[in-house]
Amino acid sequence: QQPVQSPQAVILREGEDAVINCSSSKALYSVHWYRQKHGEAPVFLMILLKGGEQKGHDKISASFNEKKQQSSLYLTASQLSYSGTYFCGTPGTYKYIFGTGTRLKVLA
Amino acid sequence: GAGVSQSPSNKVTEKGKDVELRCDPISGHTALYWYRQSLGQGLEFLIYFQGNSAPDKSGLPSDRFSAERTGGSVSTLTIQRTQQEDSAVYLCASSLSPMDEQYFGPGTRLTVT
Repeated sequence: QQPVQSPQAVILREGEDAVINCSSSKALYSVHWYRQKHGEAPVFLMILLKGGEQKGHDKISASFNEKKQQSSLYLTASQLSYSGTYFCGTPGTYKYIFGTGTRLKVLA
Repeated sequence: GAGVSQSPSNKVTEKGKDVELRCDPISGHTALYWYRQSLGQGLEFLIYFQGNSAPDKSGLPSDRFSAERTGGSVSTLTIQRTQQEDSAVYLCASSLSPMDEQYFGPGTRLTVT
């Protein structure tokens, strides 16, 4: 039931791009993306809704394929500040489910 | 305050004791969530409050866990007869509605010795 994210972990050099995928076995009506830095609480990045509406971050983009029940987060020209764990999440009935998480490390 | 606040920030307790964790959501946010995060792990959903509706308690790990939200605002998460496996960071979040972005508090780090 928990969305599965891939890759589990990725290491980048500054300026490189990355794609993080989120795949669900159940229908997705909206997907949220959060980033959690070490020792801190998660911070909202983006919401994707059915029909293509997006709301979120200027420097990060994302896609949502409702039929495939998948979402992808695109990080371009990565910066050191992008390091952290990325979670997708989706509201369910009387609950909220986060994905398995992707650890991203950006090196100078 | 502008954000979600939680207290205490740290709690060390002895096995078998009860603990109470508090969450103050952002004013006007109708949805409130509790999560648990063990060291190096993901975000485990515990319970969700929407307005004054009764919550679904099926996400709580055991009957030692309970939560309430008074007046649609402040929430408390109570753990009775704490066990070592309860050691984790407990995060609270609030949002305008279930479909909106969640704002997280700084968390309460619970250590059961």
